[in-house]
Amino acid sequence: AIQLTQSPSSLSASVGDRVTITCRASQDIRSSLAWYQQKPGKPPSLLIEDASSLQGGVPSRFSGSGSGTNFTLTISSLQPDDFATYYCQQCKNYPLTFGGGTKVEIK
Amino acid sequence: EVQLVESGGELVPPGRSLKLSCAASGFRFDDYAMHWVRQAPGKGLEWVAGISWNSLSRGHADSVKGRFTISRDSSLHLQMNNLKIEDTALYYCAKGGDGDPQVDSFDSWGQGTLVVVSS
Repeated sequence: AIQLTQSPSSLSASVGDRVTITCRASQDIRSSLAWYQQKPGKPPSLLIEDASSLQGGVPSRFSGSGSGTNFTLTISSLQPDDFATYYCQQCKNYPLTFGGGTKVEIK
Repeated sequence: EVQLVESGGELVPPGRSLKLSCAASGFRFDDYAMHWVRQAPGKGLEWVAGISWNSLSRGHADSVKGRFTISRDSSLHLQMNNLKIEDTALYYCAKGGDGDPQVDSFDSWGQGTLVVVSS
């Protein structure tokens, strides 16, 4: 199974900060990576697919990049609504796997 | 608007069986792959099983293989046999794409149904 390692597992940041979350795959997954946001008590919400394609309705401050084994989710200017946990997921093959998550907290 | 509503979760003792269902609306259900994803309390996300639009392709996580079976008719189902304590989780129904479920991301999710396995 393809393993995804997210870092950091948590971070504290202030409104307006630029935030970067990394996801590393255990093998080459080309651009087959999605990013999700999950708020407490809610299901995850798809932000980005194919490593860099923003879902409709997702603010442009979110962006994704990378290919192969190294991927990044960037929030250019953190907003109050962005405090949540973020997960990456590989869409290369079964079993579909998720990273361990990154919790973004208020500093 | 896509809506996914899970049902069937409850408290059961280890070794028992349970069947989860997911009712879908707001899109052509028969055209899309569907999946189950679970989340243990306070933990991350784990993909459980996926099924293609025509049921010809199914996949299950190693942790549930031989015990859980995904199926679909007019709804999505997950038959869970020989439940273990470590199966305790919130089970989400999630919508995939219109092709191979092995390459899916999940663009819509239900609110989840809670399964608690405890003696």
